[in-house]
Amino acid sequence: RKEVEQDPGPFNVPEGATVAFNCTYSNSASQSFFWYRQDCRKEPKLLMSVYSSGNEDGRFTAQLNRASQYISLLIRDSKLSDSATYLCVVNMVSGAGSYQLTFGKGTKLSVIP
Amino acid sequence: DTGVSQNPRHKITKRGQNVTFRCDPISEHNRLYWYRQTLGQGPEFLTYFQNEAQLEKSRLLSDRFSAERPKGSFSTLEIQRTEQGDSAMYLCASSSQRLGQVPNEQFFGPGTRLTVL
Repeated sequence: RKEVEQDPGPFNVPEGATVAFNCTYSNSASQSFFWYRQDCRKEPKLLMSVYSSGNEDGRFTAQLNRASQYISLLIRDSKLSDSATYLCVVNMVSGAGSYQLTFGKGTKLSVIP
Repeated sequence: DTGVSQNPRHKITKRGQNVTFRCDPISEHNRLYWYRQTLGQGPEFLTYFQNEAQLEKSRLLSDRFSAERPKGSFSTLEIQRTEQGDSAMYLCASSSQRLGQVPNEQFFGPGTRLTVL
């Protein structure tokens, strides 16, 4: 099982649609979870942290299910500007025993007019 | 601009040459990270510093790679005897974090895109 696994997509959705991304992670001891957004040929930018109780920021809602080891991101009322790659990020124990952020490969979203 | 900055933004070099990249983190951040990202992949951890101390290096970081953060502020990443497989985006990130604390948010610079011919 890959450490952080995401559906690569692409997800092609019309403007105004609701779209959901899921991400699974392999380390049950992981404690920090994030969603980053990355535009083509740009750096990743923090979209939101993911808390155990779930959290919402405008049109974006993140959920964490520790028992099943998955994280979700829901985008409501999609805008053209939401088109990007969404990276699921989880802290994992590295080879040296410290916790480091591990990134999934990303899910590509294209919002179509 | 108080974000993370990286220079150069693009570097084209011939195989076998040495290259050096610079990263200036957010000023109050004590942690600095280097990542490598290739097409279709997420960023992969290379190494990180807590102030001036390099605390961990990934096994991805071969002997040809060296990183420094001499005064606990900016950092440099040097690749010696570059190979075509080194072509990638090299990303720097910074965060504010104490030892033993679980990783918190990291903020990325725009990256240096390396092309080795």
